[in-house]
Amino acid sequence: NAGVTQTPKFQVLKTGQSMTLQCAQDMNHNSMYWYRQDPGMGLRLIYYSASEGTTDKGEVPNGYNVSRLNKREFSLRLESAAPSQTSVYFCASSGDHSSYNEQFFGPGTRLTVL
Amino acid sequence: GEDVEQSLFLSVREGDSSVINCTYTDSSSTYLYWYKQEPGAGLQLLTYIFSNMDMKQDQRLTVLLNKKDKHLSLRIADTQTGDSAIYFCAESKEDDDMRFGAGTRLTVKP
Repeated sequence: NAGVTQTPKFQVLKTGQSMTLQCAQDMNHNSMYWYRQDPGMGLRLIYYSASEGTTDKGEVPNGYNVSRLNKREFSLRLESAAPSQTSVYFCASSGDHSSYNEQFFGPGTRLTVL
Repeated sequence: GEDVEQSLFLSVREGDSSVINCTYTDSSSTYLYWYKQEPGAGLQLLTYIFSNMDMKQDQRLTVLLNKKDKHLSLRIADTQTGDSAIYFCAESKEDDDMRFGAGTRLTVKP
């Protein structure tokens, strides 16, 4: 099992460009998450999908959109990238959003917006 | 909103014990977690504790929970250089998101 995979590992964008970060999990988990990690601020939840077909905003959703393509895949889209979106992005999955919630994380995507 | 706070840095000598502290504000937190992040990698769950427990021990790791003071600690016995990483405290409750602290960077000196 690969667990949670993310592509790409690194990306540099110019302000205003768009891109999609891909995430897939092979653990048959119901819930998937997108976080951003900034120095001194820990992880902040952008969006999550409690189950296939649903998505909800997290703490910092502005400037992002998500798609739960199927049970395995959850993508994060930046329509018009801004320097404030320079960060490391982590995808995670868990069996169930509503109870004990061990989350399994991907290796991260390091995004720089110039 | 509810907060989870940790000190940002801790440095210890190899073989010593490390104690990483965390405080949280949500008294209704049900689950408390410690995650470890190694350089260039995602977070991995180290251990967790339910809010109705005071202590949990797992090999070199001891988690202490003081629910009255909303204080969580992680003790690593006989700290090794391989324990150097960032340690995140997190909390969650039923039907709610997980909230993470900023992470404590543990440096183990030989």
